[in-house]
Amino acid sequence: DADVTQTPRNRITKTGKRIMLECSQTKGHDRMYWYRQDPGLGLRLIYYSFDVKDINKGEISDGYSVSRQAQAKFSLSLESAIPNQTALYFCATSDRGGNSPLHFGNGTRLTVT
Amino acid sequence: GQNIDQPTEMTATEGAIVQINCTYQTSGFNGLFWYQQHAGEAPTFLSYNVLDGLEEKGRFSSFLSRSKGYSYLLLKELQMKDSASYLCAPKGGYNKLIFGAGTRLAVHP
Repeated sequence: DADVTQTPRNRITKTGKRIMLECSQTKGHDRMYWYRQDPGLGLRLIYYSFDVKDINKGEISDGYSVSRQAQAKFSLSLESAIPNQTALYFCATSDRGGNSPLHFGNGTRLTVT
Repeated sequence: GQNIDQPTEMTATEGAIVQINCTYQTSGFNGLFWYQQHAGEAPTFLSYNVLDGLEEKGRFSSFLSRSKGYSYLLLKELQMKDSASYLCAPKGGYNKLIFGAGTRLAVHP
């Protein structure tokens, strides 16, 4: 079983719809992150959470919101989807410590038509 | 500002050695990560450097020069399965990780 699980793996939705992407982890990490990846661009941070009561905006948080329901669960919502939110979305976790690497889920491919 | 520069694409032959360079500018510096990402898959951790010098891990090595804002990933004895994108990711101030666009490596027989 994957340590970091994202659902759904693929999603097609229409402009204006609200959708939620879910992430759960069994690694016991406190820190969780949401990134998006677009062709030709690096991974960009949307939101991150260092523990259940801590939520922080990343570099591209506009149009997104998150919820940290438990240590193991971190969901990303698009309140009103628009076509330029079409991208590959990754959830990641990490342990504390500056040298702790990110552990990524398998990604959710989102298409907004 | 913050900027990461790495080649977009590289090709190499099976069994050869390839070096993927990365130059970076960040506000503050707290180490540099390299990740491998196969097409359509999640990135996976390869290496971490925080001090100057070479870190060797099997067929992969990573080098860092903090004064030059420069790192490279060295892949030896290339295999077909090494065809992937390689992401350079320095950690800047406030421990924020910044990803480059990646270098797509194609290994040919």
